[in-house]
Amino acid sequence: DVKVTQSSRYLVKRTGEKVFLECVQDMDHENMFWYRQDPGLGLRLIYFSYDVKMKEKGDIPEGYSVSREKKERFSLILESASTNQTSMYLCASSSTANTGELFFGEGSRLTVL
Amino acid sequence: RKEVEQDPGPFNVPEGATVAFNCTYSNSASQSFFWYRQDCRKEPKLLMSVYSSGNEDGRFTAQLNRASQYISLLIRDSKLSDSATYLCVVNPGDQKVTFGTGTKLQVIP
Repeated sequence: DVKVTQSSRYLVKRTGEKVFLECVQDMDHENMFWYRQDPGLGLRLIYFSYDVKMKEKGDIPEGYSVSREKKERFSLILESASTNQTSMYLCASSSTANTGELFFGEGSRLTVL
Repeated sequence: RKEVEQDPGPFNVPEGATVAFNCTYSNSASQSFFWYRQDCRKEPKLLMSVYSSGNEDGRFTAQLNRASQYISLLIRDSKLSDSATYLCVVNPGDQKVTFGTGTKLQVIP
């Protein structure tokens, strides 16, 4: 069964802390994505990557960075967490042949105090 | 204008009813289209792709209107288990995948 695994389901951090969200997929997919989901705003794309060490900004990259050192792993980094980054973060992957067919992880609920 | 727009609903329909959602997109060069379903507190999952000629999967029918730049999802004979948020997805042909904000459906007994 295909799987996208996000390392933490729930995190609570303080303002100014550095936060790492890890995502691993076992489908050998080229594309990986980070979205955040907020009520009324839907899923908004933060960053995506179409290959190892490649990254592209999505619609709301400010305050975030990403790392893709290995094909199966895509990390989202909040250098200095702020309260407006409290959200549900969803990682997804897809193949180049079917870019729009995304497989999602279960999500990471981040609360910044 | 947003890249992908959906009526947020909620659509409250009785069991057995037929319901339809539309989703408009702004990029005329968009190449592939999808409908996803998201249950409460769960991750989105692919429901069906949308093909140019329209396609059907059981009680679900998806259609694409390129001239007017919208896609639609029709659900016939609604079941209680169809209650969810339905997200449309547009891919312009590169790796960027944009979601609509979703339409909430509540099927009532």
